Amino acid sequence: NAGVTQTPKFQVLKTGQSMTLQCAQDMNHNSMYWYRQDPGMGLRLIYYSASEGTTDKGEVPNGYNVSRLNKREFSLRLESAAPSQTSVYFCASSEGTESSYEQYFGPGTRLTVT
Amino acid sequence: GNSVTQMEGPVTLSEEAFLTINCTYTATGYPSLFWYVQYPGEGLQLLLKATKADDKGSNKGFEATYRKETTSFHLEKGSVQVSDSAVYFCALTLYSSASKIIFGSGTRLSIRP
Repeated sequence: NAGVTQTPKFQVLKTGQSMTLQCAQDMNHNSMYWYRQDPGMGLRLIYYSASEGTTDKGEVPNGYNVSRLNKREFSLRLESAAPSQTSVYFCASSEGTESSYEQYFGPGTRLTVT
Repeated sequence: GNSVTQMEGPVTLSEEAFLTINCTYTATGYPSLFWYVQYPGEGLQLLLKATKADDKGSNKGFEATYRKETTSFHLEKGSVQVSDSAVYFCALTLYSSASKIIFGSGTRLSIRP
């Protein structure tokens, strides 16, 4: 049981390049989330998917797109990377979006945009 | 607005010392409160939670009490171990929705043998 997996672990991009961060969970969870973590700040929600087939914006969605490919997978795409998107990105999943459900986090992707 | 403030780190303690990591919050309504822990190279894990005033969350020797009068949820442990070295995040949710979770900035804890 791998839990939540993310690829890649590290990535360096040049300004303007695009890339997709992959996330998969094997816990049959309905809800999935993408966060970014910046120094001196807590995690901030980028996008989430309450259930398969739905996605919604979080606190900081600008510059990102997401796809809930199926129940297991939730990808995050940067169409034209900017230095302000240098961050650590975490994917998470939970049974539902109610706060009583624990969120399970992946190990993160460290992205640097030069 | 709604926010979480926790003590800045890093915090360095000797093994078996008493730990307190302060967390205060500002929120409209009645939030649920959480502590998450992030071990090196891993994602966040839920450590404990409390959903209403005066509730005490506890796990792995850690405790935190939801204090509405002081809007606080301080994390404590009586005797820390080297294996407790990690980053600790205080967080709250409002409106019973995990999509509204708000995290503090994290406190890095290092324990010396």
